[in-house]
Amino acid sequence: SAVISQKPSRDICQRGTSLTIQCQVDSQVTMMFWYRQQPGQSLTLIATANQGSEATYESGFVIDKFPISRPNLTFSTLTVSNMSPEDSSIYLCSVEDVGGQGVYEQYFGPGTRLTVT
Amino acid sequence: DQQVKQNSPSLSVQEGRISILNCDYTNSMFDYFLWYKKYPAEGPTFLISISSIKDKNEDGRFTVFLNKSAKHLSLHIVPSQPGDSAVYFCAASEGDDKIIFGKGTRLHILP
Repeated sequence: SAVISQKPSRDICQRGTSLTIQCQVDSQVTMMFWYRQQPGQSLTLIATANQGSEATYESGFVIDKFPISRPNLTFSTLTVSNMSPEDSSIYLCSVEDVGGQGVYEQYFGPGTRLTVT
Repeated sequence: DQQVKQNSPSLSVQEGRISILNCDYTNSMFDYFLWYKKYPAEGPTFLISISSIKDKNEDGRFTVFLNKSAKHLSLHIVPSQPGDSAVYFCAASEGDDKIIFGKGTRLHILP
């Protein structure tokens, strides 16, 4: 199984600033995902980050607002740029890893709670 | 300690029959429950949810049942179709706190 850590665990930021969230995995994984969970809503996929290629963004999310880095197979960052109160959310990093018997399994980080004032 | 448990790692069901995926939780403060579906090499996508004030929610072929006294919920898919073959994650949250996921159940729909 993959163990995921995220930094920071929470932050309070001012409108107009940017925050970079780090995601570290204890094993090499191909697929990494960034999600957002806004209050009272389900998870929304922001983008898929594969090492060595540009991130693939879902509808409604753009690279200028949520730039992503994936420098290697164990690490990724998501930046929330030019923040507004609407960006207040929990941001989750997730990975897909091959478990026992070749079965793909999904693992989630502990999340980063962002509040924008 | 796992707060959301999916005790069956896999399940095989004949096409056209009902698929029932089960999930148990330990935190009685959870007030929102969700099911996600995941294909290989893709992230989970939201399927259906239920609030703790309800005991049933239907959306087409998918129905989620919640039994708060037993801390148990289930997802029913009827009739099951080949495209339903995927991993299904049960998840729960308390208020605005983050979503806690189960480990998933792999559903195989047999022809």
